[in-house]
Amino acid sequence: EVKLVESGGGLVQPGRSLKLSCAASGFSFNDYWMGWVRQAPGKGLEWIGEINQDSSTINYTPSLKDKFTISRDNAQNTLYLQMSKLGSEDTAIYYCARVILWDYWGQGVMVTVSS
Amino acid sequence: DVVLTQTPVSLSVTLGDQASISCRSSQSLVYSDGNTYLKWYLQKPGQSPQLLIYEVSNRFSGVPDRFIGSGSGTDFTLKISRVEPEDLGVYYCFQATHDPLTFGSGTKLEIK
Repeated sequence: EVKLVESGGGLVQPGRSLKLSCAASGFSFNDYWMGWVRQAPGKGLEWIGEINQDSSTINYTPSLKDKFTISRDNAQNTLYLQMSKLGSEDTAIYYCARVILWDYWGQGVMVTVSS
Repeated sequence: DVVLTQTPVSLSVTLGDQASISCRSSQSLVYSDGNTYLKWYLQKPGQSPQLLIYEVSNRFSGVPDRFIGSGSGTDFTLKISRVEPEDLGVYYCFQATHDPLTFGSGTKLEIK
């Protein structure tokens, strides 16, 4: 069974950084591109970016390219999202997903940016 | 960026009736390999999005044949025949043809 479990969310002060993790199981992690999507409270879905199997290609939505960094550790079957200079506009549920089909998604992790 | 315009914004349907959602793209979603990377998701209340349809018309594993995707180029439609209670939620179209990838703004399906 494919399983994606995000962690690392919580309350963070404006201007600070936070790193999210996504633990993958049930499939060959290093065979797949992986990605991140977020959803602000009561709003729609926003694509953050994606990373290929060996981390040689990473694509971001332009508005987040200078703030967010996607990485992965294939030995640990884990995807990461490093977020910096966080503002209230980054308050959202963050989902990781398996790419190509964007078929399997995690349950999401909440990040709240507030003083 | 590609803009996906979904209509209607909300839809109230009687159980057993058909529902239809439109997704129009600001540019063609045909990729250089000939495929069209347009997908449909349902996000049920309190859950993460679940894939229904990929590449315009292919039902994902376990998705009932009541869900039918169609379209080409810039115009796409998701039809749900014989709406059931578990179909309520917000439907999103999503294009993975052009960077940055983008979602439609969603269509909320309610049961009358």
